[in-house]
Amino acid sequence: DVKVTQSSRYLVKRTGEKVFLECVQDMDHENMFWYRQDPGLGLRLIYFSYDVKMKEKGDIPEGYSVSREKKERFSLILESASTNQTSMYLCASNVGPQETQYFGPGTRLLVL
Amino acid sequence: GESVGLHLPTLSVQEGDNSIINCAYSNSASDYFIWYKQESGKGPQFIIDIRSNMDKRQGQRVTVLLNKTVKHLSLQIAATQPGDSAVYFCAENRTGAGGTSYGKLTFGQGTILTVHP
Repeated sequence: DVKVTQSSRYLVKRTGEKVFLECVQDMDHENMFWYRQDPGLGLRLIYFSYDVKMKEKGDIPEGYSVSREKKERFSLILESASTNQTSMYLCASNVGPQETQYFGPGTRLLVL
Repeated sequence: GESVGLHLPTLSVQEGDNSIINCAYSNSASDYFIWYKQESGKGPQFIIDIRSNMDKRQGQRVTVLLNKTVKHLSLQIAATQPGDSAVYFCAENRTGAGGTSYGKLTFGQGTILTVHP
């Protein structure tokens, strides 16, 4: 079975803090994705990576950056957390186009 | 921009009934579609997928129908059980610049399915 894990299920941070969200997949997938999920807005793509050290902006990249130093790990970074970044963050991976994305359990982030 | 939408935000059924969740898509170039189930506090879980060269695909208690003429997708759940209560999302692949998609998906807003015992 594909397994996508996220470093934390719940996080509480203060405004202005730098926040790291980690995602690891164990299936040697090429592509990895970060989404945020908010009520009424569905899943929105923040960034994705199609190879080590390669990344592309998604629909809402402002306020975020990413890092992919190893194939299995994809990190989302909030350089200076703000209250409007309070959300559920979901990581996913897949092996390529026309292939299912498999999701991690999510990290619920609260920024105070 | 292209979008994926759902006809109904909520659906309530009795245990044992069949459920049908609908989804409309607008990108006629989309060639791959997925249905996900998301339970409270968890990440989306893959249910079933279908490629555009098919109009029907069946899984265990689930069937996905694809009507490319009207750009409509549906998920049918047979003999719905209380454990099927969740939010259901449809998603379509997204084709980026130069025809590449990297497997990016556009998600619908979701339908809340509630199954009453």
